Amino acid sequence: DVKVTQSSRYLVKRTGEKVFLECVQDMDHENMFWYRQDPGLGLRLIYFSYDVKMKEKGDIPEGYSVSREKKERFSLILESASTNQTSMYLCASTPEVSDYNEQFFGPGTRLTVL
Amino acid sequence: AQSVSQHNHHVILSEAASLELGCNYSYGGTVNLFWYVQYPGQHLQLLLKYFSGDPLVKGIKGFEAEFIKSKFSFNLRKPSVQWSDTAEYFCAVNALPGSNYQLIWGAGTKLIIKP
Repeated sequence: DVKVTQSSRYLVKRTGEKVFLECVQDMDHENMFWYRQDPGLGLRLIYFSYDVKMKEKGDIPEGYSVSREKKERFSLILESASTNQTSMYLCASTPEVSDYNEQFFGPGTRLTVL
Repeated sequence: AQSVSQHNHHVILSEAASLELGCNYSYGGTVNLFWYVQYPGQHLQLLLKYFSGDPLVKGIKGFEAEFIKSKFSFNLRKPSVQWSDTAEYFCAVNALPGSNYQLIWGAGTKLIIKP
């Protein structure tokens, strides 16, 4: 089974802090994604990466950056956390070659910014 | 821009009732279609998927969905729901060719089953 893990289930930070969210997958997937999930808005793509050191902006990249130094690990960085970044953050991965591109999700990190 | 619309944000049913959750997408080309489910406190998991062949697809836990290309729809159904089906359900679309690994997500439908 594909396993996607995220470093924290719950995180509380203060406005202005730098926040790191880590995601690790164990299935050698090329593609990794960071989403935020907010009630009534579904999943919105923040960034994705299709290879080591490669990244592409998603729909809502402002206020975020990412890092992918190793294939299995994809980090989301909030440079200066703000209260409007309070949300559930989901990481997902998918292999490069797939008939149907199913995404596999981690358990999520619920971030609260005070 | 491509989009996915889920008609109901909240659905409340009694046990044994029949379920149909609507999903429509706006894209005229080839698509892969997914329904994901998120049970309370759990991570998102795949319920079922369609990528070719029989437009009626069966998933886990007795769910099925029908792809109607002419209506750009992929509605989720279950003939008799259980209390354990209480969850949030998301429809997602992968538009081909082009973004061959990005999914476009609906806003989700929260399903509450009354025991």
